[in-house]
Amino acid sequence: DIQMTQSPSSLSVSVGDRVTITCRASQSISSYLNWYQQKPGKAPNLLIYAASNLQSGVPSRFSGSGSGTDFTLTIISLQPEDFATYYCQQSYGSPPYTFGQGTKLEIK
Amino acid sequence: EVQLVESGGGLVQPGGSLRLSCAASGFSFSSYGMNWVRQAPGKGLEWVSYISSSSSIYSADSVKGRFTISRDNAKNSLYLQMNSLRAEDTAVYYCARGDLTIFYWGQGTLVTVSS
Repeated sequence: DIQMTQSPSSLSVSVGDRVTITCRASQSISSYLNWYQQKPGKAPNLLIYAASNLQSGVPSRFSGSGSGTDFTLTIISLQPEDFATYYCQQSYGSPPYTFGQGTKLEIK
Repeated sequence: EVQLVESGGGLVQPGGSLRLSCAASGFSFSSYGMNWVRQAPGKGLEWVSYISSSSSIYSADSVKGRFTISRDNAKNSLYLQMNSLRAEDTAVYYCARGDLTIFYWGQGTLVTVSS
């Protein structure tokens, strides 16, 4: 099975900061990489699909890049509502479509 | 509006069984792959099982042989039959629509496995 490793696992940041979260796959997954945001007590919400495609309704301060094994989620000018946990998920080939362990953004 | 509503969670003893249901509405249910994803308390997301629109099935190794995903297109419903439950199966279980990408999630149902 493909393993997904996110870094960092947590990050202390301030409103207005630029944030970069990385996700590394244990083998090449082309661009089959999704990013989700999850707030406490809520279901996850899709941000980015196929590595770099912004889901409808998601603010343009979110962007995704990468292919192969290395991917990044970038948030420019962090807003108060962006404090949450972020997960990557690979969807290459047949399932299992594994998630990364998550990155929690905390207020500095 | 796409809606996914899970039900069937609760407290069950180790070794017991439980059947989760997910009622789907607002889209052509038979046309989409569906998933179960779970989240143990304070932990990350874990993909559990997937059933395609043509009913091909895949499951995580951690539940293979114990959990069975199924669907009833006539009832717009997704199911997860969970047998031989263990303490480590305690989690919120989400019903989720999508094949390569999960675009829609339910609100989740809590399953607690404890004596």
